[in-house]
Amino acid sequence: AQSVTQPDIHITVSEGASLELRCNYSYGATPYLFWYVQSPGQGLQLLLKYFSGDTLVQGIKGFEAEFKRSQSSFNLRKPSVHWSDAAEYFCAVGAQDNNAGNMLTFGGGTRLMVKP
Amino acid sequence: DAGITQSPRYKITETGRQVTLMCHQTWSHSYMFWYRQDLGHGLRLIYYSAAADITDKGEVPDGYVVSRSKTENFPLTLESATRSQTSVYFCASRPQGSREFFGPGTRLTVL
Repeated sequence: AQSVTQPDIHITVSEGASLELRCNYSYGATPYLFWYVQSPGQGLQLLLKYFSGDTLVQGIKGFEAEFKRSQSSFNLRKPSVHWSDAAEYFCAVGAQDNNAGNMLTFGGGTRLMVKP
Repeated sequence: DAGITQSPRYKITETGRQVTLMCHQTWSHSYMFWYRQDLGHGLRLIYYSAAADITDKGEVPDGYVVSRSKTENFPLTLESATRSQTSVYFCASRPQGSREFFGPGTRLTVL
């Protein structure tokens, strides 16, 4: 069974500082990996995804993530955080399943707070 | 408007009552999903559907019932609501070979 761990429940960074959110997964084959962002009271918005190919993927809002197979990680990064980035971030892993295709398993989330 | 909608957006009910959460998508996506979101657990899959009249259990199906008589609708029913079912519920849809599109969520409180 696949699983996702986001070790940091809360992270606080100063505006303009760099950001890295950690995500570790467990899956027996090459996974499909996703990062979603959820603003307060809102649904989930896809930031980026990795299916195959280049292990460094670019997403929206200036985010990027790097797939490292040897470390089973898919950490999310942003070089300079803006106050509007304050939200909850979810990493998810998808596995091929004949019934539902890419069923997603989500991590517990990391809540990002941004200091002025 | 095109997209995925959920209704109601907020619901308060009492223990033992039946509650149905509605989900509607206008894209004719094959797959639809129901997740619940609880603090510290992220999103957990309740039920999913690969097509009309095809449904299957996810990680936490107990206490829930789904149906999918039409491709565009995927209602979730709590047959006898319990306090542990207080949560935020997200519906999602997905075309074959792509990724999920999420609805805005329904916040359910069971008193």
